[in-house]
This record gives sequence, C-alpha cells and structure tokens, in this order.
Amino acid sequence: SQKIEQNSEALNIQEGKTATLTCNYTNYSPAYLQWYRQDPGRGPVFLLLIRENEKEKRKERLKVTFDTTLKQSLFHITASQPADSATYLCALETNGFQKLVFGTGTRLLVSP
Amino acid sequence: NAGVTQTPKFRVLKTGQSMTLLCAQDMNHEYMYWYRQDPGMGLRLIHYSVGEGTTAKGEVPDGYNVSRLKKQNFLLGLESAAPSQTSVYFCASREEGRKQFFGPGTRLTVL
Repeated sequence: SQKIEQNSEALNIQEGKTATLTCNYTNYSPAYLQWYRQDPGRGPVFLLLIRENEKEKRKERLKVTFDTTLKQSLFHITASQPADSATYLCALETNGFQKLVFGTGTRLLVSP
Repeated sequence: NAGVTQTPKFRVLKTGQSMTLLCAQDMNHEYMYWYRQDPGMGLRLIHYSVGEGTTAKGEVPDGYNVSRLKKQNFLLGLESAAPSQTSVYFCASREEGRKQFFGPGTRLTVL
C-alpha cells in the first residue's frame, strides 16, 4: 500500500542547532515533493518544492533534499529559532495527478 | 489580496442537518481543493476542481458534495451530517507552479 511517513513524535532541539525532519514514502513515484509549515489553529503555509530530478533545494535557512532511490526527503532548518516551532508537513505529487498527498506531519519544538 | 478565505470559521451541527462551506480565492487560480484534517490522520483530500464547472473525487469523498460554478468559489456541502464528519476543513487553491495556498480552516462539530 502507499504510505508517507513522518515522525509522529515531536522533535525537541535547542535554539541555534540544526533541525532535521524526515519524510519517507513507499509505493509512490513522486514527480514533486513539497514541504509546508502549519501553526496551531491555522492553515498550512508553503515552504519549498523540489522536483524528482533535483537533489537539493535551499531557501534562506531551509534546505530540502530528495533521494528517489532511498524514497526519502530530508528537511533542514539551520540556526533554528523558537519562532520555527510548528508542525511541518511533507506532501507528494505524482505526475499528472494534479493533487497532493500529505504526510501526518512532525511537530518541531525549538527551546531558547 | 485576501488570498483564500473560508466561511464560516466555526459551526456546530446536529446529526442529519445539512450545511455548505464556502471557499473563495482572489488569485485567479484554476485548481481548488477541499481537505479535512483529523488528529493523527493528516490532511486528506475530499474533492477537488481543475477549473470552473469541474469537480473530481479525492481520497475521502463519501458524504460530501461540491460545486464550482464560479472560478473564484468552491463550495463543500454536507447533505446529512454525521458525527464522523467532525473535523477541521481546509480549502486550498493552487498556482501554476504547484504551490498551494490554504485558507484559515472551518472547525465543524457534529453532535
């Protein structure tokens, strides 16, 4: 069966450290992979998109990698801040399907 | 630009009642989506639309209907609400670059 797995346990890190979140998938061949941030009581907000032929994408303190052999994406936040505390969702889009399938998200807590 | 707006923000229904959730976007996007989000289940796609006058089923369409009579609006209807439909509902629209923009959500409780 098709699955997208993100750590259900919260990730606790110290301010200034690098946070690394994992998204693993099975039985998908995604053409695109996206990461969203969701704060409590709000809708998700788009962060980054990476294509299947791209290994890595960066935006300011954010970095995403995409390994189609391992069927895994890693999402990194460098120099993390308490304001980065939120739930982070990964989402896959397979070619031609026009829609996203979301993981359940990982909650990140950054302590001062 | 208001982006994606949803009304109402909160609603409580009794089992068997009906209601319509309204989603509006002012970004001229062709694609629009309705999701529900439940604890431990993540976002699940209910229905979506690839343009005015079109609709398609998502992952969990049963018990819901949708309409896209105008490009900027996407309506989600519950004809006979059930407690299993208690959830937070999000609407989203998608730009050409595939990025989705989400509304603030509607928290629905069915008693």
